Amino acid sequence: RKEVEQDPGPFNVPEGATVAFNCTYSNSASQSFFWYRQDCRKEPKLLMSVYSSGNEDGRFTAQLNRASQYISLLIRDSKLSDSATYLCVVIGNNFNKFYFGSGTKLNVKP
Amino acid sequence: EAQVTQNPRYLITVTGKKLTVTCSQNMNHEYMSWYRQDPGLGLRQIYYSMNVEVTDKGDVPEGYKVSRKEKRNFPLILESPSPNQTSLYFCASSLLQGAEEKLFFGSGTQLSVL
Repeated sequence: RKEVEQDPGPFNVPEGATVAFNCTYSNSASQSFFWYRQDCRKEPKLLMSVYSSGNEDGRFTAQLNRASQYISLLIRDSKLSDSATYLCVVIGNNFNKFYFGSGTKLNVKP
Repeated sequence: EAQVTQNPRYLITVTGKKLTVTCSQNMNHEYMSWYRQDPGLGLRQIYYSMNVEVTDKGDVPEGYKVSRKEKRNFPLILESPSPNQTSLYFCASSLLQGAEEKLFFGSGTQLSVL
């Protein structure tokens, strides 16, 4: 079983839509959680850290559910510029390894 | 500006010709790592380093070498490249301390081995 699993998509949504991605992780002792955004053939860039209390940054909201071992990303009022691949990243309990999901592709259409 | 600098951006080579991809960070990060990214497989870790002179294998280390003689530099060496090493490579670094755990990535190296 993979350490981190994501639905690869693609999610095709119209501008203005609300879209949500989930990501599950297998190690219950995992310590830190992140969402990264990656544009085609470019380096991943940090979108948000994910905390137990949840966090929000403008149109983006991230949640962590430790009991069910998943994290989520909600994007409200989607923009064309949100089209990208979203990577779920988890740091293992020994703090020496970042585990990446394979990414969820989002296409926002006019 | 805080950054991870990776060179070259594009590289075409032939089977068996040794090459080095350089990676340097200016943030005094202890942790550095190399990844390769292939379609459908996501990012896979090749090697990582927790500090100077400390390196460990990741998930796909075969055919690669690394060194960490200085804190800022973490070069990736392919002694005898083969076509199955054609991929997009990323170097990354992190402080791995609390709020600074996030990874900073270089801009990537697209390698083609003919």
